[in-house]
Amino acid sequence: AQSVTQLGSHVSVSEGALVLLRCNYSSSVPPYLFWYVQYPNQGLQLLLKYTSAATLVKGINGFEAEFKKSETSFHLTKPSAHMSDAAEYFCAVSPPGSQGNLIFGKGTKLSVKP
Amino acid sequence: DTGVSQDPRHKITKRGQNVTFRCDPISEHNRLYWYRQTLGQGPEFLTYFQNEAQLEKSRLLSDRFSAERPKGSFSTLEIQRTEQGDSAMYLCASSLGLAGTTDTQYFGPGTRLTVL
Repeated sequence: AQSVTQLGSHVSVSEGALVLLRCNYSSSVPPYLFWYVQYPNQGLQLLLKYTSAATLVKGINGFEAEFKKSETSFHLTKPSAHMSDAAEYFCAVSPPGSQGNLIFGKGTKLSVKP
Repeated sequence: DTGVSQDPRHKITKRGQNVTFRCDPISEHNRLYWYRQTLGQGPEFLTYFQNEAQLEKSRLLSDRFSAERPKGSFSTLEIQRTEQGDSAMYLCASSLGLAGTTDTQYFGPGTRLTVL
């Protein structure tokens, strides 16, 4: 069965520092991959998605992620953190042949220190 | 486009009671999904509809759970004889229903259920 592993349930960075949130998936066939962000008391918002086109995917709010098949990874990065980036981030996969049902990781809570 | 809405936002009930949640998807979205999110976990898929047809149900969806989308627009999720383990955030999402699995799902704010 497909699974998603997010390393680090909590990541803390200083404002202006690099943000790196890790995501690894288990699949012999590359799935479709997504990153969602969840702010307190709000629904999940799509940051970006990988659909087997370019391996470097650019999303909203300056975030990007790189698909690496050899490492089965899809890590999320942002060069310079803002205070407004503090939220919970979820990596998700949609296995090939599925009906679009998403399998989520457990999430990583990002804190940004002034 | 007003986004996906869910009602109520919060529900507190006693064990053994029945509860019903409503989800209004983005208009003209053909697919509607239900997920459950417990504390410290990511959302887990429960079921989904293509128009009014319920096409897939997770094994997480016990026989106490039932979902409907009678006219292919809004959907309801009912939990009968609630248990404390049902306490969670119930999320609804909708998508256009385009072919393939790159369809973006738009999520509502969720209904937080607390079973006492």
